[in-house]
Amino acid sequence: NAGVTQTPKFRVLKTGQSMTLLCAQDMNHEYMYWYRQDPGMGLRLIHYSVGEGTTAKGEVPDGYNVSRLKKQNFLLGLESAAPSQTSVYFCAARESGGYNEQFFGPGTRLTVL
Amino acid sequence: RKEVEQDPGPFNVPEGATVAFNCTYSNSASQSFFWYRQDCRKEPKLLMSVYSSGNEDGRFTAQLNRASQYISLLIRDSKLSDSATYLCVVTESGAGSYQLTFGKGTKLSVIP
Repeated sequence: NAGVTQTPKFRVLKTGQSMTLLCAQDMNHEYMYWYRQDPGMGLRLIHYSVGEGTTAKGEVPDGYNVSRLKKQNFLLGLESAAPSQTSVYFCAARESGGYNEQFFGPGTRLTVL
Repeated sequence: RKEVEQDPGPFNVPEGATVAFNCTYSNSASQSFFWYRQDCRKEPKLLMSVYSSGNEDGRFTAQLNRASQYISLLIRDSKLSDSATYLCVVTESGAGSYQLTFGKGTKLSVIP
């Protein structure tokens, strides 16, 4: 089992460009999440999904959109990238229930020039 | 806003030392508690869950104090490989149980 995978691993964008980050999980978990991690800020939740076809906003959703058309995939879109979106993005998946582990993907390092 | 607070460190300790981290959380209705470990430029990974009765896994001991709303992690006989950032994580009860709140992490450096 691959667990949680993310595509791409690295990307450089120019301001105003758009892109989609793909997250895939093979664990059949209900919950999926997108976080960003910046120095000194810790992990911040962008959007999450509690099941196929559902999405919800997290702590820092502005400038991002998400979709979960299939249970195993969770897409994060940047419609018009800004330098403030330079960050490391982590996807995660977790089964429902209190003490279930949250599994993270390896991350995507995005630089917006 | 729900908060999870940690001392950012860094904690610089010699090999073989014992080191302890604390974490406080603001929501008294929090349900589940964890310590995650994050190596430099890597994703966070679960180190251990923290149960009300306290739990131990080898050199690592985690304790929960619900009355004071804090969680602790004790590492005995520190190894160079323990160098990492340790994240305190809390989930809420009921309808909020899908969402984890992460502390900003405590950085540990174990020195030869």
